[in-house]
Order: sequence, then structure tokens, then C-alpha cells
Amino acid sequence: KAGVTQTPRYLIKTRGQQVTLSCSPISGHRSVSWYQQTPGQGLQFLFEYFSETQRNKGNFPGRFSGRQFSNSRSEMNVSTLELGDSALYLCASSLMGLAETYNEQFFGPGTRLTVL
Amino acid sequence: SQQGEEDPQALSIQEGENATMNCSYKTSINNLQWYRQNSGRGLVHLILIRSNEREKHSGRLRVTLDTSKKSSSLLITASRAADTASYFCAMEGRNYQLIWGAGTKLIIKP
Repeated sequence: KAGVTQTPRYLIKTRGQQVTLSCSPISGHRSVSWYQQTPGQGLQFLFEYFSETQRNKGNFPGRFSGRQFSNSRSEMNVSTLELGDSALYLCASSLMGLAETYNEQFFGPGTRLTVL
Repeated sequence: SQQGEEDPQALSIQEGENATMNCSYKTSINNLQWYRQNSGRGLVHLILIRSNEREKHSGRLRVTLDTSKKSSSLLITASRAADTASYFCAMEGRNYQLIWGAGTKLIIKP
């Protein structure tokens, strides 16, 4: 079974630009979560999508948005990039649904975003 | 903060020794999970312990959970060079959202 894939793997942008990151979950997984990881920090939760609906949201400004498509693939968008947005963005998928009893997440390799 | 607390922040031990890292949290949880992150394999799930369990084993890993103290520990026995990585605890809250610790960086010296 193929794992979680993220594209692109590396991205360099300048301040003020916008960026879209893509995540393809493991086949059959309906939940996709996005995280931001900066050096020395843990994972900061951005949002989670389940069946095309945003189910949970972290404490990030409105410049960060996302969506999920009917095939469970998800995109994350960051508008008006700032220097502080430079980070590793991780996507994770899980089976998590009403019948699931726990939320074990399977992570992609991440997209490393550098904002100049 | 949405994070749990982990300690130590960094740990350096000799190969063959045991490594213990701790995690504390503030809210009620469904379960607590431990993940490992290294450059080769990314972030990988290691073990899950449910809120009604006190101890769980998986190979060289032993996890304990004390819900009265809102804390957990991960013990890695007979450490190997391949165990060098960052280890994160993640607490699943009632809404199934995972709240993450800041991680413990483990270095195994040959």
C-alpha cells in the first residue's frame, strides 16, 4: 500500500507570495491533518479535514487555509507569505471515522518551505 | 499552548544503555501515542496506550501512563545507534485531535 505523498518536497518563495501544498493520503483514509514544524519545535496543528469538511482547526491566522477533495486528497494554501512561515509542513492521514476508536496518524515526508 | 510537555529536551547515552523520556499533559485524553522522527524515515508511529491502560510493551519499547498525574514515560531498552532520533508524545483529546509535545532529541553514542 502506498504511503502518504506530499508535493512538492521543497519550495522557495518570497514574502507576499502565496503557496499551495498538496497531500495524497493512504488509500482508504478519509482524515487528513496538516502540521507546521519549525526547528526545535514540536508539531503545531493547523487543521484536519474529514470527508471534505474541516473538523478541527488550530490557532493559525486566516492566511492558512485548506480543503479536501472527494478522493480525500487535500491541499493547504498560505497567502501573503511571511518569513516566519518558513517551516516543514507535514501532512498525516488516518482511518479515523465514527467507527474508529483511535487516531493513529501516518505521515508524509513533508514539504520544506523557505520564505525569502 | 496546545502542546504537551516533554523532558528531557535532549538525551545522549551510550549504545546498550536504556533511555527514558517523559511526557506530561493537561487535559483528559482518549489515549497517548509516541512517535519517532529521523531524517531517514520521517515521522513514524511507535506505540499507543489507551487511557484505561497503565503499561504497554512493544519490542524494546515500554510505555507507562499515569492518568492521575497526567504523565507518561517511554523507555527504550538496550539502545542502538538506529534509535537516534527525536521522540514525540501526542495526546488524543476527546475530539480526536492530537496535541503534541515538543519532543526529546535522543543521541546514541557508539
